[in-house]
Amino acid sequence: AQSVAQPEDQVNVAEGNPLTVKCTYSVSGNPYLFWYVQYPNRGLQFLLKYITGDNLVKGSYGFEAEFNKSQTSFHLKKPSALVSDSALYFCAVRASGSARQLTFGSGTQLTVLP
Amino acid sequence: NAGVTQTPKFRVLKTGQSMTLLCAQDMNHEYMYWYRQDPGMGLRLIHYSVGEGTTAKGEVPDGYNVSRLKKQNFLLGLESAAPSQTSVYFCASSLQGNTEAFFGQGTRLTVV
Repeated sequence: AQSVAQPEDQVNVAEGNPLTVKCTYSVSGNPYLFWYVQYPNRGLQFLLKYITGDNLVKGSYGFEAEFNKSQTSFHLKKPSALVSDSALYFCAVRASGSARQLTFGSGTQLTVLP
Repeated sequence: NAGVTQTPKFRVLKTGQSMTLLCAQDMNHEYMYWYRQDPGMGLRLIHYSVGEGTTAKGEVPDGYNVSRLKKQNFLLGLESAAPSQTSVYFCASSLQGNTEAFFGQGTRLTVV
């Protein structure tokens, strides 16, 4: 069975500092990987995805993520955090083969302190 | 372009009552999903569909049924509601398996 782990429930960072939100995955075969953000009382919004190709993926709002196959990781990063980045972040994975399920991690609450 | 629309947005049920949540998408997407979100547990997949007329079980399907009679609609049914089904329910759709999913605004369900 495929799974996603987000080891940190909460990440705090000062405004202007770089941020990292961690994600590791387990899946049979090659993964399709996604990051989503959720603001209070809202649905999830897509940030970026890795399907194939370059391991460094750039997405919305200055976010990027690096796919590391050997470490089965897909960490979300941003060079300079904004207070408005404070939200709940979810990593998700789907196997590229016959499995169709999109599996989410438990989420990481990011708080950017002014 | 409405995207993914969920109906209703809020609902309170008594234990044992039944209800149906409606999800509609106007993007001609093949894949549709129903998730529930509970504090500290992220999103858990209830059921999903990879095309009109198809459905499949996800991680937590017990107590729920689904139907996809039309490509644009994905219905989630609770036959006999239980307090453990108190949650926020999200519907999502995607064009294919390697494309991003679009989410509805959620339905907050309370079972008393």
